[in-house]
Amino acid sequence: GAGVSQSPSNKVTEKGKDVELRCDPISGHTALYWYRQSLGQGLEFLIYFQGNSAPDKSGLPSDRFSAERTGGSVSTLTIQRTQQEDSAVYLCASSLALEGEQFFGPGTRLTVL
Amino acid sequence: EDQVTQSPEALRLQEGESSSLNCSYTVSGLRGLFWYRQDPGKGPEFLFTLYSAGEEKEKERLKATLTKKESFLHITAPKPEDSATYLCAVQARGNNDMRFGAGTRLTVKP
Repeated sequence: GAGVSQSPSNKVTEKGKDVELRCDPISGHTALYWYRQSLGQGLEFLIYFQGNSAPDKSGLPSDRFSAERTGGSVSTLTIQRTQQEDSAVYLCASSLALEGEQFFGPGTRLTVL
Repeated sequence: EDQVTQSPEALRLQEGESSSLNCSYTVSGLRGLFWYRQDPGKGPEFLFTLYSAGEEKEKERLKATLTKKESFLHITAPKPEDSATYLCAVQARGNNDMRFGAGTRLTVKP
């Protein structure tokens, strides 16, 4: 069956531009997560959505980062006024519920010049 | 604060040479400990979930064990295709996120 998909796979942007990253979770998965993975670093939690509940935004590094999830399915992570330190791989994961394994997408590699 | 420390950072093995990867953690009430495998340029792939001390799970050449302070991922007679980065993560009760370690980069030489 279809796994988690993310687009684009690669994004190169200039400092100061806004970017949008998209995540399509596995159908039926109510929980959706965004993580950031910098070179040689572990995954850093950014934001979590569960069903129709208010998202857990506790991991967002600054107010330039925001995310939404429409209709309980597709999610978009937006980074405004990108900075070079935002360069990383952004990973999305979904799971059936809060308790349970997360299935990851292939990630979006963001490069800010 | 929840913390996850993996060791070693990198491990090079000969094909057939068994070894173990370590994941030490501190968490206020463990909901679950997770092991993932990550190949270059790909997202992490789920391997195991462990919920309580003493629990063990196996899959092919891999076996994961859990104590109150650490987890081990034992690799028996590894093959070159086992080469990857292995990630450990913990989820605490009452928290939505998972805290990941930095991973162990395993290379198995033929």
